[in-house]
Amino acid sequence: TQLLEQSPQFLSIQEGENLTVYCNSSSVFSSLQWYRQEPGEGPVLLVTVVTGGEVKKLKRLTFQFGDARKDSSLHITAAQPGDTGLYLCAGGGLGNAGNMLTFGGGTRLMVKP
Amino acid sequence: DTAVSQTPKYLVTQMGNDKSIKCEQNLGHDTMYWYKQDSKKFLKIMFSYNNKELIINETVPNRFSPKSPDKAHLNLHINSLELGDSAVYFCASSPETQTQYGYTFGSGTRLTVV
Repeated sequence: TQLLEQSPQFLSIQEGENLTVYCNSSSVFSSLQWYRQEPGEGPVLLVTVVTGGEVKKLKRLTFQFGDARKDSSLHITAAQPGDTGLYLCAGGGLGNAGNMLTFGGGTRLMVKP
Repeated sequence: DTAVSQTPKYLVTQMGNDKSIKCEQNLGHDTMYWYKQDSKKFLKIMFSYNNKELIINETVPNRFSPKSPDKAHLNLHINSLELGDSAVYFCASSPETQTQYGYTFGSGTRLTVV
């Protein structure tokens, strides 16, 4: 079973601060995705990274896939209250597990105005 | 237009009852999934169907039976409901089985067994 651990589990910051969320595993993944989930809704895909060392930017969000494709980070610059939510990383398996997405436990972010 | 829609949104029922949750996607995707999210927000896959055929069946009690009448629909029937079945159940779809295309999730069905 491929496991993903996210840290921190909870993060409460003031508007304008920067933050980084981590997603780590001892397993190698074919791809790594980040989702954001708001209360009462399903997760919404933010980004997919597939190449080791890959960096993708989405406005104030920067996503990085580790060189060994075992870990990823999400960095938010100048956080805003609208960034509040549950951030989930999810890894795509290799080989026979290639069609299964494994989710991390999530990081609950609160940005205070 | 809703891409992945689940019904009902909320479901409260007594132990021992049988209930169904319906899911439909209008994205033309080939693959659909059922995930269970527990009280700690951990998402765990239950089933995956590709073009109406079961391809993933994780360790789920056989009281849970998915059915896919066509590739746009994946329903979940649960027999003899137990307290531990209380959770939020999410339906999702993707273009194909490979995970790099990402999933589109429905808004969830909150099941409460009393």
